[in-house]
Amino acid sequence: GENVEQHPSTLSVQEGDSAVIKCTYSDSASNYFPWYKQELGKRPQLIIDIRSNVGEKKDQRIAVTLNKTAKHFSLHITETQPEDSAVYFCAASSGDYKLSFGAGTTVTVRA
Amino acid sequence: GAGVSQSPSNKVTEKGKDVELRCDPISGHTALYWYRQSLGQGLEFLIYFQGNSAPDKSGLPSDRFSAERTGGSVSTLTIQRTQQEDSAVYLCASSLGVGQGAGEQFFGPGTRLTVL
Repeated sequence: GENVEQHPSTLSVQEGDSAVIKCTYSDSASNYFPWYKQELGKRPQLIIDIRSNVGEKKDQRIAVTLNKTAKHFSLHITETQPEDSAVYFCAASSGDYKLSFGAGTTVTVRA
Repeated sequence: GAGVSQSPSNKVTEKGKDVELRCDPISGHTALYWYRQSLGQGLEFLIYFQGNSAPDKSGLPSDRFSAERTGGSVSTLTIQRTQQEDSAVYLCASSLGVGQGAGEQFFGPGTRLTVL
């Protein structure tokens, strides 16, 4: 089955700086890569996703890049703000229904 | 419309007892998923339902775990003879399902299960 690894497990950044989270996947057939944000005590929510037919996608301060050859994808958050503090999960799917999640990255934005 | 709902929000039980956790998916969503999230960990896939198809039970950790989905809507996850290692947050999610490919999953608030 699919195996998704996520790094780092924790990330502390100064407000205004950028944050980058990296994930690798094992199944070359995977073609859908979502990122979920989970604030403390709340449910995970989709913040951005990318499909394998594109290499990069942006939504305001958030961007995701995908390297299919290397089987890795990354989340980039620019101009971080305190409300970006949360746990972020990457996931991968081979186009059916089952998402395999990374272990999560706890992001702390220091004011 | 309403999002995914789950009940109860918290459940404390004694080791060896059975528990039932309920999930109400978003109306019109044909796909329903159960995940388990242990403290500080990622999301562990448990089971998937899609319409009237046979569920994918490949993530269930033991035969003490079972789930059903009645009428293609509400789902119940049952854990028999609970053990302390079953303590976790159980999350339910739903999505539009087949025809959409893998797409956005909408999560419920979870049920926090504590086995004493």
